[in-house]
Amino acid sequence: AQRVTQPEKLLSVFKGAPVELKCNYSYSGSPELFWYVQYSRQRLQLLLRHISRESIKGFTADLNKGETSFHLKKPFAQEEDSAMYYCALSLRGGSQGNLIFGKGTKLSVKP
Amino acid sequence: EPEVTQTPSHQVTQMGQEVILRCVPISNHLYFYWYRQILGQKVEFLVSFYNNEISEKSEIFDDQFSVERPDGSNFTLKIRSTKLEDSAMYFCASSSQGLAGDTQYFGPGTRLTVL
Repeated sequence: AQRVTQPEKLLSVFKGAPVELKCNYSYSGSPELFWYVQYSRQRLQLLLRHISRESIKGFTADLNKGETSFHLKKPFAQEEDSAMYYCALSLRGGSQGNLIFGKGTKLSVKP
Repeated sequence: EPEVTQTPSHQVTQMGQEVILRCVPISNHLYFYWYRQILGQKVEFLVSFYNNEISEKSEIFDDQFSVERPDGSNFTLKIRSTKLEDSAMYFCASSSQGLAGDTQYFGPGTRLTVL
């Protein structure tokens, strides 16, 4: 079965430090991978998706098919990056692109 | 910027009662979804809907659940006879194309508490 694993429930870093939120997936086909973010009291919103290969708010994520990973990275964390981050997978060839989420990692950036 | 809206923000109900959760997707979107998140657990897919039909549903979406698009704007999730374990945040989402790489836009969620 398809699965997304985010091993860290909580990640705490100081402002200016590099941050890496880990995401591994299990799926034998070609996945579409996403990072969604939920700031305090706000809705889930798309941060980035691997197909776009873009950097959003300084975050990047590279799909590594060999390691089945899609880790989210930022070289210098900011306090406003504090939020819940969810890695999600949808299946190419799936008729509706239903998302399979990881459990999420809470990022806390301290001043 | 258009947003998905959901009402109510919080619903409290007694076990065995019926509840209807409402969503207004983004107006030009054609694909609609319901997800739920039990406290402390992951966001889970419930159902997807297109062209007035269910496209896919998960194991969670049993006979107690139904979805409907009663008019041109609303998309509803009905739970016929609520159980304690239905207590969760319910998120509605919509997308324009329904493809695997398409962005889904989420509503703010409805917190359902079953007593």
